[in-house]
Amino acid sequence: AQKITQTQPGMFVQEKEAVTLDCTYDTSDPSYGLFWYKQPSSGEMIFLIYQGSYDQQNATEGRYSLNFQKARKSANLVISASQLGDSAMYFCAMREGRAAGNKLTFGGGTRVLVKP
Amino acid sequence: GAGVSQSPSNKVTEKGKDVELRCDPISGHTALYWYRQSLGQGLEFLIYFQGNSAPDKSGLPSDRFSAERTGGSVSTLTIQRTQQEDSAVYLCASSLQGRTGETQYFGPGTRLLVL
Repeated sequence: AQKITQTQPGMFVQEKEAVTLDCTYDTSDPSYGLFWYKQPSSGEMIFLIYQGSYDQQNATEGRYSLNFQKARKSANLVISASQLGDSAMYFCAMREGRAAGNKLTFGGGTRVLVKP
Repeated sequence: GAGVSQSPSNKVTEKGKDVELRCDPISGHTALYWYRQSLGQGLEFLIYFQGNSAPDKSGLPSDRFSAERTGGSVSTLTIQRTQQEDSAVYLCASSLQGRTGETQYFGPGTRLLVL
């Protein structure tokens, strides 16, 4: 079974509008962390936001927020007020507890194209 | 340096040759990771170093792949007898102490093409 699933391979969004990128995960470990990374065409992976499994509140970082629904095992990324520079691939990733090592497991990514 | 650096940025090699890819982590980071990004497999974990502990090699796809980290800093990923399926972008990342909630910061990657 896939540990991280991103069901949207690609999507268009109008500049200045908000967009939600879906991510569901699968783990039996009670301690885990969820990350979102942005990968522009240059190829570098840029960290956006982090949510720990024990965090009580949804994470926010500027225009990025994470809609964390633990019971549903989802961690959707919301980008508000989209900008042309937001056009990129977006990856959801999970890091499980210490027993599972410290590797990140990535989803397949969602390509976002912001239209002017 | 300010971020993770990798060299070379691009590498073209012939099938059967050996290649070495280098990673310089962020200064002070004790944890270092290698990942591979390919069209068919997406982003995959390869190997993880943490301080002086034995590395986690669970992601290495075959015994042609090996990595070392000298002096707790620079790491080299070696691929012996390269195959065409090794063509991918090899990404290195580092984090402060390798704890669960820590952010991994990625380098720009090495794009490997095996002809």
